[in-house]
Amino acid sequence: EVQLVQSGAEVKKPGESLKISCKGSGYSFTNYWIAWVRQMPGKGLEWMGIIYPGDSDTRYSPSFQGQVTISADKSISTAYLQWSSLKASDTAMYYCARQVHSTSPRLDYWGQGTLVTVSS
Amino acid sequence: QSVLTQPPSVSAAPGQKVTISCSGSSSNIGNNYVSWYQQLPGTAPKLLIYDNNKRPSGIPDRFSGSKSGTSATLGITGLQTGDEADYYCGTWDNSLSVVVFGGGTKLTVL
Repeated sequence: EVQLVQSGAEVKKPGESLKISCKGSGYSFTNYWIAWVRQMPGKGLEWMGIIYPGDSDTRYSPSFQGQVTISADKSISTAYLQWSSLKASDTAMYYCARQVHSTSPRLDYWGQGTLVTVSS
Repeated sequence: QSVLTQPPSVSAAPGQKVTISCSGSSSNIGNNYVSWYQQLPGTAPKLLIYDNNKRPSGIPDRFSGSKSGTSATLGITGLQTGDEADYYCGTWDNSLSVVVFGGGTKLTVL
């Protein structure tokens, strides 16, 4: 059974750093892209970028380039999303999802989400 | 403002049929596959339709997808109260080089 399990909810202050994780199981982690998707409170889905764990090829949405870093450790089948300096506007639910191809909108398995709250 | 345009809400009675539209352009829907996602309250999105009209294993045939030109449509027949959710369309945008989503449509089963 394909599963993506994300790390737990985080409460941070503005300016702090954060790294959240997404662990894949039940499939060949190195053969599929992992996407990160943001959902701000009461809003829709926003695609942030993807990583191919097999060779760490990473692509970012222009809206998120320079704002976050996507990485992966294929030895432990885990992808990461990190911030170096959080802002209140980063408060959102973040989902990882398996993306079938780098230019495909087919995100066939999703993690349960990680809620990030940034507040002073 | 989303690249893909969906109606904010639709409603219908149990047992009835509803359609949800998704309008784009030649840089996205017009030249790429469309997927549809269902997000039940408080849960992660779930893939309902991919490649315009294909259903993943386990998705009932009450759900269907179609595409014509720069628009796509999700159809749901035999509506159930458990279908109340937000529905999103998504596709690749060749100009932006990103996956783009519609703003979402809230389905109410009256």
